[in-house]
Amino acid sequence: DAKTTQPPSMDCAEGRAANLPCNHSTISGNEYVYWYRQIHSQGPQYIIHGLKNNETNEMASLIITEDRKSSTLILPHATLRDTAVYYCIVRSLYNAGNMLTFGGGTRLMVKP
Amino acid sequence: NAGVTQTPKFQVLKTGQSMTLQCAQDMNHNSMYWYRQDPGMGLRLIYYSASEGTTDKGEVPNGYNVSRLNKREFSLRLESAAPSQTSVYFCASSEWVRAGGPKETQYFGPGTRLLVL
Repeated sequence: DAKTTQPPSMDCAEGRAANLPCNHSTISGNEYVYWYRQIHSQGPQYIIHGLKNNETNEMASLIITEDRKSSTLILPHATLRDTAVYYCIVRSLYNAGNMLTFGGGTRLMVKP
Repeated sequence: NAGVTQTPKFQVLKTGQSMTLQCAQDMNHNSMYWYRQDPGMGLRLIYYSASEGTTDKGEVPNGYNVSRLNKREFSLRLESAAPSQTSVYFCASSEWVRAGGPKETQYFGPGTRLLVL
């Protein structure tokens, strides 16, 4: 699976949009972009995923650039409960074990 | 619907002791996984089971064994614990969904915190 690069930390004011970037310049055609988050001491939680089109669900929006070399996760109205480590993962859905390869992630701190 | 449950929540072992971490899911998923997370690091896959009756090694299998007891349960055994196995262990399960485009989402348990002295 392709490698991802994320900033180690970001701050966001409560109620504002949080925009978390991810670079995945070596992504291949059959690889999806997945986002998970891990709130302190808990198991990771799925947020959203996409292949090439922008996606939106009840938690977030995912914007993928046309060349698919980068993406942005958007939390439209961040709350204190969104403070967590956010992982951008690029993966083929057909690789052995369907493992998730977690990098360092971005530690998002939402401040009042 | 409890999702993925893990027992115990915490455990302290002495070097050389053995123990089994238990995991169960009630979502009727075919695939189950064991990950470990060391402080400040991302998760690394230890073993996985694509379906009942099958198990395969992940990225860091040494020192561990697994058993897929049935569709619901997937256990992780440390035969002779070492301090390097001090970590938080997460179990996960997943199922493929084909409708509307392929989707495979992993659901994680709350974790087992293991300290090996």
